[in-house]
Amino acid sequence: GESVGLHLPTLSVQEGDNSIINCAYSNSASDYFIWYKQESGKGPQFIIDIRSNMDKRQGQRVTVLLNKTVKHLSLQIAATQPGDSAVYFCAEKTRGNNRLAFGKGNQVVVIP
Amino acid sequence: NAGVMQNPRHLVRRRGQEARLRCSPMKGHSHVYWYRQLPEEGLKFMVYLQKENIIDESGMPKERFSAEFPKEGPSILRIQQVVRGDSAAYFCASSPARSEGVFFGQGTRLTVV
Repeated sequence: GESVGLHLPTLSVQEGDNSIINCAYSNSASDYFIWYKQESGKGPQFIIDIRSNMDKRQGQRVTVLLNKTVKHLSLQIAATQPGDSAVYFCAEKTRGNNRLAFGKGNQVVVIP
Repeated sequence: NAGVMQNPRHLVRRRGQEARLRCSPMKGHSHVYWYRQLPEEGLKFMVYLQKENIIDESGMPKERFSAEFPKEGPSILRIQQVVRGDSAAYFCASSPARSEGVFFGQGTRLTVV
């Protein structure tokens, strides 16, 4: 079946450094991807999305890279701040399917 | 521009009672999704609705769970005869169309005692 998984369960990063969060997906038919940030007790917050016809997209302090050849997605956060501490999920959607499939999440801890 | 609104934020029910969770999508969004999240886990799809229609309920348990999105008013996720295993955070999300951004509410945390 479809699965979306994250390589590292916890990422500790020094404040000011860049963070990279990785995500592997298994469904080659997935054509739309979203990164979410979830803080404790809150709902997932939309960070950035990317369609399969792109390999890179940039937002404010964030960049998403998509490598369809190896079915890999990454989120880069520049100049990580304490407020970036959260669990990050990647989610995928397949053409013709309405659901987003989520992985288990990757905890990012920013060390001041 | 208000985001996805869910209420209540916290809900406590005794075993056997009914739980009703409400969700108002973002303005201009006609697609609603419900997800369930257990502690330390990702979000699991439950159901996808458009106004007055259930489009995909493949993630819903076959018994006790139902969802609706009426022409007027919020979407409702209803859980009848709750059991302890229903305790979880339930999130609603909305989107303007199938392949556009999907935005989540703050969730309803259901505790069954």
